[in-house]
Amino acid sequence: NAGVTQTPKFQVLKTGQSMTLQCAQDMNHEYMSWYRQDPGMGLRLIHYSVGAGITDQGEVPNGYNVSRSTTEDFPLRLLSAAPSQTSVYFCASSSGTGGYRNTEAFFGQGTRLTVV
Amino acid sequence: QKEVEQDPGPLSVPEGAIVSLNCTYSNSAFQYFMWYRQYSRKGPELLMYTYSSGNKEDGRFTAQVDKSSKYISLFIRDSQPSDSATYLCAMSETPQAGTALIFGKGTTLSVSS
Repeated sequence: NAGVTQTPKFQVLKTGQSMTLQCAQDMNHEYMSWYRQDPGMGLRLIHYSVGAGITDQGEVPNGYNVSRSTTEDFPLRLLSAAPSQTSVYFCASSSGTGGYRNTEAFFGQGTRLTVV
Repeated sequence: QKEVEQDPGPLSVPEGAIVSLNCTYSNSAFQYFMWYRQYSRKGPELLMYTYSSGNKEDGRFTAQVDKSSKYISLFIRDSQPSDSATYLCAMSETPQAGTALIFGKGTTLSVSS
C-alpha cells in the first residue's frame, strides 16, 4: 500500500515556466489537499477537494490551479512560476467517512520546488 | 494575525524532561484539534487528536484543549532523543473538511541524550 505519492521529489524551474505537481493516493480517500511549507511559516493550505469534481480554495490559492477528475489524483498546477513559490509542497488525503478518524490527513513525502 | 499561533522555538531539552508545547487560536468555530509530528525532510504524521475541550492521553503524550481560552497543549513525558522533530498543531471546523486543516508554524524540539 503506497499511501500518498508525490512526483517529482525535487524540481527547479525558471521564472515564468509552468509545471504540474502530481499527487496520487491509493486509499480510496475522498478528501485531498495541497499545502506549502516555508521556513517559519508552518503548513499553509493552498487548495483542497472533498470529492471528484469538487475543489475549493485554501489560505494561499493565488498562482495555483487544481482539478479533481478522479478520486485517486489531485494535481497542482503552477501557471507561471515565481520565486515566491519556492517552497516544499505537501499533498494530503483523508477518508472523510464516519467517526473522528476521518480528520486524520495522510501526507506524501513532499516536492521541493525552487524557482530561479 | 494568523488564525493559529504557535511558538516556533527551537526548544532543547535533556532526555527524560517533560516538554510542553502550546498553540492559541482565534477562530471559535474550530472543534477538531490535532498534533502532527514531522521528522526532517518527511511529511507530517498524526500524533494526537482531540475533539472539543478536554484531555486525551496516549502513552507518554497528553493533549489538552481549553476552548474557553482558545488554547491547546501537548505534553511529552520522559522525552526521548527519538522525539526530536517539529511538532505542528492543526485545527479544523468540521470533520467533513478532513484535510482543510489550519496549522500553526510548528515548534522544533531537540532532545539530547
